[in-house]
Amino acid sequence: GENVEQHPSTLSVQEGDSAVIKCTYSDSASNYFPWYKQELGKRPQLIIDIRSNVGEKKDQRIAVTLNKTAKHFSLHITETQPEDSAVYFCAASKDYGQNFVFGPGTRLSVLP
Amino acid sequence: GAVVSQHPSWVICKSGTSVKIECRSLDFQATTMFWYRQFPKQSLMLMATSNEGSKATYEQGVEKDKFLINHASLTLSTLTVTSAHPEDSSFYICSADPSGVYYGYTFGSGTRLTVV
Repeated sequence: GENVEQHPSTLSVQEGDSAVIKCTYSDSASNYFPWYKQELGKRPQLIIDIRSNVGEKKDQRIAVTLNKTAKHFSLHITETQPEDSAVYFCAASKDYGQNFVFGPGTRLSVLP
Repeated sequence: GAVVSQHPSWVICKSGTSVKIECRSLDFQATTMFWYRQFPKQSLMLMATSNEGSKATYEQGVEKDKFLINHASLTLSTLTVTSAHPEDSSFYICSADPSGVYYGYTFGSGTRLTVV
């Protein structure tokens, strides 16, 4: 089955710097890759996603890149702010969004 | 926007009792809902896929008789933890897809279960 790895497990950056979180997946049939942000004690919230027919997607300070050949995708956050501090989960799925497999998560801390 | 409501948000129960968790899609119909379990500082693990009007599909290693799932309507799925034990203590989260085309799942607020 699908296996999703995520690195780093923890990441601390200074406010204003960029943060990059990388995920790899094992199943070449996976075609949908969402990123979720989970603040302490709250539900995961979808922040950005990318489909296998696209190499890059950007939404304001957040961008995601996908390399299908290498089977990895990355989340990029620019101009980080303290409110970006949270746990970020990547996920992969085939069948257009069913049967998600989540990565282990990255705890991002943005230091003021 | 699409809202998935989950209740209760937290519950404490005694070992051996059963606990029911509800997951409702408030402004859309969901033929499929998903139940996840999240241990402290860990990722979300899919437990089962809840299908309206039919039996749930459980992931390998998840006990069907332990975690009863009922999806009786297009807006409600329930997870019942039967004969709960301390090891069942966890954060349970449901999710559903408001678009119906499987993108952008919305999660419920989660239920923190503590079994004492």
